[in-house]
Amino acid sequence: GNSVTQMEGPVTLSEEAFLTINCTYTATGYPSLFWYVQYPGEGLQLLLKATKADDKGSNKGFEATYRKETTSFHLEKGSVQVSDSAVYFCALSGTQGGSEKLVFGKGTKLTVNP
Amino acid sequence: DTGVSQNPRHKITKRGQNVTFRCDPISEHNRLYWYRQTLGQGPEFLTYFQNEAQLEKSRLLSDRFSAERPKGSFSTLEIQRTEQGDSAMYLCASSHPPGGSTDTQYFGPGTRLTVL
Repeated sequence: GNSVTQMEGPVTLSEEAFLTINCTYTATGYPSLFWYVQYPGEGLQLLLKATKADDKGSNKGFEATYRKETTSFHLEKGSVQVSDSAVYFCALSGTQGGSEKLVFGKGTKLTVNP
Repeated sequence: DTGVSQNPRHKITKRGQNVTFRCDPISEHNRLYWYRQTLGQGPEFLTYFQNEAQLEKSRLLSDRFSAERPKGSFSTLEIQRTEQGDSAMYLCASSHPPGGSTDTQYFGPGTRLTVL
């Protein structure tokens, strides 16, 4: 079945550091890929998505590129802020937009220190 | 703009009791999903509906769990004879139907269940 493996946390960075959170997937067909973020005390929010190979999703300075050849969707940000401290989840779904069930990774907790 | 809402936000119950949670999706979304998230893990799919039809159920959804969406709007998730292992955050999400790039799932704040 479909599965997602993401980088174990926690990750601790200083403000303005470069962030990479690795995510690889196993899936049949052509899944859509997502990054969701969970800020402390809040619900899951969609951060960005990509629906086909070589697509780049981006939002709030975060980027991820759908790499079919390496089955990866790594999350990057050039300069993190304290407000980026949260848990980040990589996920996939079986349809182009995401309305079938989502399969999530275990999450990576990011703490950014001033 | 009202998002997905869930009630109650927290529920503490004793082992063996029944509990029911409610989810109100975004009004124009006809798909509704339930997930369960335990501490330190990502959400796991439980079941989903298109309108009032339950289209898929996970093997995680034992016979003590039942979900309904009687009129294709709000949904309820009931757990009978709760066990300590049922303690988790129960998440609801909703989306448009498939067929476009706008059918992303939007999540509610969750109901945290603690079984004593």
